Amino acid sequence: DIQMTQSPSSVSASLGDRVTITCRASQGISSWLAWYQQKSGKAPKLLIYPASTLQSGVPSRFSGSGSGTDFTLTISCLQPEDLATYYCQQADTFPRTFGQGTKVEIK
Amino acid sequence: EVQLVESGGGLVKPGGSLRLSCAASGFTFNTFSMNWVRQAPGKGLEWVSSISRSGNSIYYADSVKGRFTISRDNAKNSVYLQMNSLRAEDTALYYCTRDGGSFRDHDPFDIWGQGTMVTVSS
Repeated sequence: DIQMTQSPSSVSASLGDRVTITCRASQGISSWLAWYQQKSGKAPKLLIYPASTLQSGVPSRFSGSGSGTDFTLTISCLQPEDLATYYCQQADTFPRTFGQGTKVEIK
Repeated sequence: EVQLVESGGGLVKPGGSLRLSCAASGFTFNTFSMNWVRQAPGKGLEWVSSISRSGNSIYYADSVKGRFTISRDNAKNSVYLQMNSLRAEDTALYYCTRDGGSFRDHDPFDIWGQGTMVTVSS
């Protein structure tokens, strides 16, 4: 199985800050990497797939990069509504696997 | 409006069974693969099972293989998860999700329901 490792597990940043979350796959997954945002009490929402393509309606302050085994989600200018937990997930092979999540908090 | 609505969750004793249902609307159901993803209280996301458009290809997480069965009824725009031999560690919010459909065999989960809670406890 492909293991997905996210870091950090949590980050506290000020409004307007740049936030970077990394995700590493235990083996190459090309660009088959999704990023999801989950706000408290809500279902996850697809933000980016594959790897760097923003889904329709997602603010441009979100961006994704990487291929192979190393990926990054960046929030360029943190907003109050970005308070959430972010998950990466590989769609290269079954079983589909998620990272453990990164909780973004506002300082 | 594209929508997935789960039902069937509840409290069940260890060793018991439960059948989850997911009703889809707002899209052509039989052209999308479907999935179940779960989230234990306070924990991360765990993929459970996937079923192809026709139902011919099915995948399970090792943690549920042999105990859970995914199925679909394209005439009813619904996908199901039959859960047998339930364990305490199956306690979770179960989400029904849709594959994006643009990247054959490599789709993300682009639509999520609100989830149905399954609690396994004596």
